[in-house]
Amino acid sequence: GAVVSQHPSRVICKSGTSVKIECRSLDFQATTMFWYRQFPKQSLMLMATSNEGSKATYEQGVEKDKFLINHASLTLSTLTVTSAHPEDSSFYICSGARGSSYEQYFGPGTRLTVT
Amino acid sequence: LAKTTQPISMDSYEGQEVNITCSHNNIATNDYITWYQQFPSQGPRFIIQGYKTKVTNEVASLFIPADRKSSTLSLPRVSLSDTAVYYCLVGSYGGATNKLIFGTGTLLAVQP
Repeated sequence: GAVVSQHPSRVICKSGTSVKIECRSLDFQATTMFWYRQFPKQSLMLMATSNEGSKATYEQGVEKDKFLINHASLTLSTLTVTSAHPEDSSFYICSGARGSSYEQYFGPGTRLTVT
Repeated sequence: LAKTTQPISMDSYEGQEVNITCSHNNIATNDYITWYQQFPSQGPRFIIQGYKTKVTNEVASLFIPADRKSSTLSLPRVSLSDTAVYYCLVGSYGGATNKLIFGTGTLLAVQP
């Protein structure tokens, strides 16, 4: 149990365009979802936290107008990278948490390449 | 900002016990300690979680001293398939602020 999926698994887009990444909890209701970014050979960095039906909380240094997060239901959160630039190329990973447990269930990640 | 540090890499042989330590000097009262395994181009996979003392499950043990400023993940009898990067995650969420800090990661290489 506790499976999280992401779509797409990899995407290539041109500089200046926007791209949407979906994160779904398949067999549980995720009261909280998290979005992380991971650059090559580096650790995961938390970008934002979202709770269903409320605005996301962004970490310091993450532009909320550039990385739009929507958590419309207990099983779906989306991350939209607007006006993407090559420096946004990274591995984006979401996770979901249920109830009061601090255990996060991670998705398989989305590789974004901006050309 | 609190820094969570780990050794960059460790080498081991099949069948050996491996202990990976994470240093988290600025851990807060509400923070939990969680360890994850990550293979290339995949999301992290949960291994074990604890708050204090010792926790054991079917795949690993987690040792946390009384001051909680460090933690040690113990993997018994590793195999080649355990070659991966291991991360500790320190933090909590759900209150006024969220704090989730991944460690720097340890690349474990298991040789035959």
